[in-house]
Amino acid sequence: QSALTQPASVSGSPGQSITISCTGTSSDAGDYESVSWYQQRPGKAPKLMIYDVSNRPSGVSNRFSGSKSGNTASLTISGLQAEDEAHYYCSSFTTDTTQLFGGGTILTVL
Amino acid sequence: EVQLVESGGGLVKPGGSLRLSCAASGFTFRTYSMNWVRQAPGKGLEWLSSISSNSDYIYYADSVKGRFSISRDNAKNSLYLHMNSLRAEDTAVYYCARDLAPAAVPSRWFDTWGQGTLVTVSS
Repeated sequence: QSALTQPASVSGSPGQSITISCTGTSSDAGDYESVSWYQQRPGKAPKLMIYDVSNRPSGVSNRFSGSKSGNTASLTISGLQAEDEAHYYCSSFTTDTTQLFGGGTILTVL
Repeated sequence: EVQLVESGGGLVKPGGSLRLSCAASGFTFRTYSMNWVRQAPGKGLEWLSSISSNSDYIYYADSVKGRFSISRDNAKNSLYLHMNSLRAEDTAVYYCARDLAPAAVPSRWFDTWGQGTLVTVSS
């Protein structure tokens, strides 16, 4: 299966909100379930930010939220802060029991 | 403190083999599903394999199926990835990752990650 599709980059100013999309390909079953989102800063291991589409693990700021509509999941970060600058990856369990990651989106805080 | 520490990476020739280990501490290892994820230099994340807490459920990505094998030793709090027939495209940092919560079946939500171990496949 192909990777999930994310925009290569997004940017926003401090205090603004941004949304990163994550779309499954039309040639797949289209039943992407169990979407999660990860933040990765340079040289660091990824960090789980959202699981099961819209749930936040303990300790993750409520400025991060997730949603899903059809084949597209979204991560929204509100009240952008400089520390949010990082790569973000979506991930989904698929109907053939594999796990896909998106190609990643680099967030720049202007 | 919950901690995962990978080891076993290094330089290997194409066609060679390597075994990665992941030592877990700070949690009840035998109750959590575990996973391997890799990241090629400058590239994104790629899920490789998952194993349930008692090894009943094992899953692989198509890219490594038949070449890589995941296993665990709950008595030693350790996870392993046996890699055979290595190719240049297997060059990456390999992370072990824990599922978010204990469960019989892998959730594939990776809440704790190791620091990674670098595998370089080159002649």
